[in-house]
Amino acid sequence: KAGVTQTPRYLIKTRGQQVTLSCSPISGHRSVSWYQQTPGQGLQFLFEYFSETQRNKGNFPGRFSGRQFSNSRSEMNVSTLELGDSALYLCASSEGRVSYEQYFGPGTRLTVT
Amino acid sequence: QKEVEQDPGPLSVPEGAIVSLNCTYSNSAFQYFMWYRQYSRKGPELLMYTYSSGNKEDGRFTAQVDKSSKYISLFIRDSQPSDSATYLCAMSRFTDGTASKLTFGTGTRLQVTL
Repeated sequence: KAGVTQTPRYLIKTRGQQVTLSCSPISGHRSVSWYQQTPGQGLQFLFEYFSETQRNKGNFPGRFSGRQFSNSRSEMNVSTLELGDSALYLCASSEGRVSYEQYFGPGTRLTVT
Repeated sequence: QKEVEQDPGPLSVPEGAIVSLNCTYSNSAFQYFMWYRQYSRKGPELLMYTYSSGNKEDGRFTAQVDKSSKYISLFIRDSQPSDSATYLCAMSRFTDGTASKLTFGTGTRLQVTL
């Protein structure tokens, strides 16, 4: 089975712009979770989608949003980018409803200038 | 205080050594415990997952969970240079129909030398 794929792998944006990141889960997996990884804060949970519904949400501002499509692919959007949004954004997919067994993609490296 | 504490290292060991990696946590509600390995510029790779207390073995890796002490460990036997990476512990609890919110430790950087 192919693993989790994320596009694009690298992205450079300017403060105030918005960005959309894409994630394709492992075939058959219905849950997609998003994380932000920074040197200072480590890996932090953003949100989880299951069957096109957001089931769980972390402590991030409303500028961070996401959605999931009927084929389980997911996108996350960050509006009004700030310098502090520079990070590695990781997507993880899970097969079961409980969704603790998560398999990560390679991530999208976002740099905000 | 962070919910999950992990020594950042670096931890340097000779090839063939037994490696012990540990995490402590403060939230007694955590039920699921995972270990990930992350190579530089890559996404985390799931190594082991366990539910509640006890031991689980998979090849050279053994995961231990002691819920009474709020302490989890990962042991790597016969360590190899290819094991050099950052090891992250993660844990979650079941709430609102899901246990998807993983809380991670900061990671321990391991270097296995020849």
